[in-house]
Amino acid sequence: ETGVTQSPTHLIKTRGQQVTLRCSSQSGHNTVSWYQQALGQGPQFIFQYYREEENGRGNFPPRFSGLQFPNYSSELNVNALELDDSALYLCASSFRGGAKNIQYFGAGTRLSVL
Amino acid sequence: AQKITQTQPGMFVQEKEAVTLDCTYDTSDPSYGLFWYKQPSSGEMIFLIYQGSYDQQNATEGRYSLNFQKARKSANLVISASQLGDSAMYFCAMRVGTQGGSEKLVFGKGTKLTVNP
Repeated sequence: ETGVTQSPTHLIKTRGQQVTLRCSSQSGHNTVSWYQQALGQGPQFIFQYYREEENGRGNFPPRFSGLQFPNYSSELNVNALELDDSALYLCASSFRGGAKNIQYFGAGTRLSVL
Repeated sequence: AQKITQTQPGMFVQEKEAVTLDCTYDTSDPSYGLFWYKQPSSGEMIFLIYQGSYDQQNATEGRYSLNFQKARKSANLVISASQLGDSAMYFCAMRVGTQGGSEKLVFGKGTKLTVNP
């Protein structure tokens, strides 16, 4: 158990809709990162939040946005869903400032866009 | 370009035997971290082992060890005494910096390990 929880576990949406995914960090962690994992691929970095601000983004369009709250939990929002957004979305928490800065992952949210 | 390469899409091993999963990396940064994660069919990415670029000794965590060869830019995972529960996808990842000041993980495509009884 990593202490990182994600909700919901599964979600089905139709093209054009909007979706919000949630993540609770491990206790003591101050940083949250989001990744998208398409079927048969390794995870791809979406963005990272530290002190409630986005401070790093991968190659994803602006319709992917996020929030981090004072308790370090986080949301990933995706607008105008496309079929290619179907994937496993993984949240990882870590402590910036640690020697190893290990990212611990949740079980993910599996999103299907029809 | 910062990249992780895992050349073995699938590996098979007999229960109780050792297995090596290959990983090579490419980076020009002098400081980096290398990770291995296990992903069962449930989807959760489970941290196994970490190796820092300046670490002199190979990392070990129980039955997992990381064979770090810096000059060859390789970071192979060795699992000793394989168990049926080790059957899963295994991902090698490298921690790299971003323009925003954060640090992200770059993953390989993974290796599917099957442990046979």
